[in-house]
Amino acid sequence: SAVISQKPSRDICQRGTSLTIQCQVDSQVTMMFWYRQQPGQSLTLIATANQGSEATYESGFVIDKFPISRPNLTFSTLTVSNMSPEDSSIYLCSAPQGDRSYNEQFFGPGTRLTVL
Amino acid sequence: GQNIDQPTEMTATEGAIVQINCTYQTSGFNGLFWYQQHAGEAPTFLSYNVLDGLEEKGRFSSFLSRSKGYSYLLLKELQMKDSASYLCAVLDSNYQLIWGAGTKLIIKP
Repeated sequence: SAVISQKPSRDICQRGTSLTIQCQVDSQVTMMFWYRQQPGQSLTLIATANQGSEATYESGFVIDKFPISRPNLTFSTLTVSNMSPEDSSIYLCSAPQGDRSYNEQFFGPGTRLTVL
Repeated sequence: GQNIDQPTEMTATEGAIVQINCTYQTSGFNGLFWYQQHAGEAPTFLSYNVLDGLEEKGRFSSFLSRSKGYSYLLLKELQMKDSASYLCAVLDSNYQLIWGAGTKLIIKP
């Protein structure tokens, strides 16, 4: 099973600034996913980060707002740009066991973001 | 549209049994997951069902009926540490995971 870490674990940011969240996996994985979870709500997939190609964004999420990097098979970053209070949420990265997106997923501990 | 329905909150007594239901309407079906999420922590995998029937794993069992678009998670011999949210997620025809909002389970002594 993969062990996933995220930095920072939490942050409080000012409106209009940007925050980059780091996700580190202890083994090489083909796909990494970035999710957002509002309190008491379901997980919403932001994008899939694939090494060697551009991230694939879900409906409602754009690269200018959530740029993603995937420099290698164990690391990814998600930037929340030009933040507003509506971006306050928990951001989670995950990776599936094996090469298939539909396998069991392992999650990082999450980054709790508060935008003032 | 795609939809996953779970009760928002359930309460049960330590030592008892509780069943958490999940109904789904998705574009295709390639399996259903249950995850456990303790407050402030990441979700952790509990089970995966792709065929009809009951899958048992210790105190936890998961059931699936594809014809009814229905699953349940059964927790036996409840312990205080089982207090958590339980998330149902369905893989649609594009192998995209569609997540339910989760059921917050409160265990009382």
